[in-house]
Amino acid sequence: EAGVAQSPRYKIIEKRQSVAFWCNPISGHATLYWYQQILGQGPKLLIQFQNNGVVDDSQLPKDRFSAERLKGVDSTLKIQPAKLEDSAVYLCASSLDYNQPQHFGDGTRLSIL
Amino acid sequence: ELKVEQNPLFLSMQEGKNYTIYCNYSTTSDRLYWYRQDPGKSLESLFVLLSNGAVKQEGRLMASLDTKARLSTLHITAAVHDLSATYFCAPGAGSYQLTFGKGTKLSVIP
Repeated sequence: EAGVAQSPRYKIIEKRQSVAFWCNPISGHATLYWYQQILGQGPKLLIQFQNNGVVDDSQLPKDRFSAERLKGVDSTLKIQPAKLEDSAVYLCASSLDYNQPQHFGDGTRLSIL
Repeated sequence: ELKVEQNPLFLSMQEGKNYTIYCNYSTTSDRLYWYRQDPGKSLESLFVLLSNGAVKQEGRLMASLDTKARLSTLHITAAVHDLSATYFCAPGAGSYQLTFGKGTKLSVIP
């Protein structure tokens, strides 16, 4: 079984630029999550999708972050404009359903200069 | 809001020794996960604990859950270098979301 795929693995941008991350969940997984993991901390949930609908985006900074999951499969997370404090690893996870174990991708490491 | 506290945050232990990592959480939770993360890698699921008194073991790791005390423990028996990693506990609440602790960085020294 293929795991959760994320790209790119690394991204370096300057502040105020925009960036997008892509996630392809495990086939058949209905629930998809985006997390932000700042160095030395645990992952923090940004947004949770159930199929292509948003379940929770209460911790997503909506003035600069956006996410979509078209057709209930792949998802993209965008930051525009980026701030220095957005430097982090962005993890995508998926689960068969909302009450099943989450499987994580390798993440995208974002550095803001 | 669910708050999670892990202790200790850093742990250096000798090979062959035993130790316990503690995870306290602030509100009722119906399940708790333990994850392992190696440097530069993603999170690997170790255990899921679904009921009070649940105990699960895999190799040198054993996890337990006391929902009344809102406490989970991860016990390491006879540590080996390969166990060096960061360990996260993550209780779940609400819409089956997980709240992660800050993690315990374990270093096993020969």
